[in-house]
Amino acid sequence: GAGVSQSPSNKVTEKGKDVELRCDPISGHTALYWYRQSLGQGLEFLIYFQGNSAPDKSGLPSDRFSAERTGGSVSTLTIQRTQQEDSAVYLCASSFPVEKYGYTFGSGTRLTVV
Amino acid sequence: GDSVTQMEGPVTLSEEAFLTINCTYTATGYPSLFWYVQYPGEGLQLLLKATKADDKGSNKGFEATYRKETTSFHLEKGSVQVSDSAVYFCALTRTGFQKLVFGTGTRLLVSP
Repeated sequence: GAGVSQSPSNKVTEKGKDVELRCDPISGHTALYWYRQSLGQGLEFLIYFQGNSAPDKSGLPSDRFSAERTGGSVSTLTIQRTQQEDSAVYLCASSFPVEKYGYTFGSGTRLTVV
Repeated sequence: GDSVTQMEGPVTLSEEAFLTINCTYTATGYPSLFWYVQYPGEGLQLLLKATKADDKGSNKGFEATYRKETTSFHLEKGSVQVSDSAVYFCALTRTGFQKLVFGTGTRLLVSP
């Protein structure tokens, strides 16, 4: 597609449930990133995929968070046993190459844990 | 490590005022520099960029010049509009680093 697509745009879940957030990057972009943005806050890096290399998971806040990228394209971020502090906007971005073009962001998924 | 420092917000201006949002950086080598804008309820959009020293990025009336001697990339606009109200993020990356390093963002509020 023309841009980075994220779904769902909004998700309300009960504490303790698992959620899956999806990101469909721009075709041909080899790098994909997940960030978290809490209300009124800056951007928190979560995880980065580059081609077939092992992902950089250094930003994942706990082992309840995981992500995969299938076939070098679509990515899914999974949060298990959600907590209220997981409430945030989750942003996905893709790039190629980043030093020349920066990131293209999706519109984000707003996650609310009640 | 690499870092980006932005001025604290919010920046509050009247329509048609001149805007400057300061951004300074710390990085080895010659980073690429970016400004992103985030309108309420939306993701971040690339506003402008500069990939080498003395380059000027420009878009939608906004400008920023890559100043290596002062390690700065200040965002300017000659006459702001209410529709420019948003959060602005400065960011950098280096060749081979593969990730953007973001500043904390500066909220701009423009009143009629």
